[in-house]
Amino acid sequence: GENVEQHPSTLSVQEGDSAVIKCTYSDSASNYFPWYKQELGKRPQLIIDIRSNVGEKKDQRIAVTLNKTAKHFSLHITETQPEDSAVYFCAATPLNTGNQFYFGTGTSLTVIP
Amino acid sequence: DTGVSQNPRHKITKRGQNVTFRCDPISEHNRLYWYRQTLGQGPEFLTYFQNEAQLEKSRLLSDRFSAERPKGSFSTLEIQRTEQGDSAMYLCASSLRQGGLETQYFGPGTRLLVL
Repeated sequence: GENVEQHPSTLSVQEGDSAVIKCTYSDSASNYFPWYKQELGKRPQLIIDIRSNVGEKKDQRIAVTLNKTAKHFSLHITETQPEDSAVYFCAATPLNTGNQFYFGTGTSLTVIP
Repeated sequence: DTGVSQNPRHKITKRGQNVTFRCDPISEHNRLYWYRQTLGQGPEFLTYFQNEAQLEKSRLLSDRFSAERPKGSFSTLEIQRTEQGDSAMYLCASSLRQGGLETQYFGPGTRLLVL
């Protein structure tokens, strides 16, 4: 099965700086990579996703990049704000051939005002 | 609120008791997933349904766990003879699989504590 690794496990940045979270996956059949944000005591919420036919996707201050050859994808948050503080999870799934979503272990991001 | 809902939100039980959780997905979603999440970890897949059919179960899922989705709408997850190691957050997610595309939406979870 798929194995998703996520780094770092914790990340602290100053407000206004950028934050980068990286994930690697093992199954070359994986073709859909969502990112979720989970605030303390709340449900994971989808913030951005990318499909394997795209190398980069951007939504305001959030961007995701995908390198299929190296099997890694990254979340980039620019101009961080205190409300960006949360745990972020990456996931991977082979949408066409499988059904499980495999999640990383999460990155706890703290934005220091 | 038209999102995924779960009940109860919290459950405290004694070891050996049975517990049942309910998930109500977004109404037009044909897929429903159950996950378990422990502190500091990402959601761990347990099982999923497409409509009323349970199509996949994790190999990690003990036979004390059973899930149903009798009418293809809400789902229940039952844990029999609970153990302290079952203490976790149980998350439900629903999605609409259409044309090879799928996005999961999570419920708020049921936090289980087994004493």
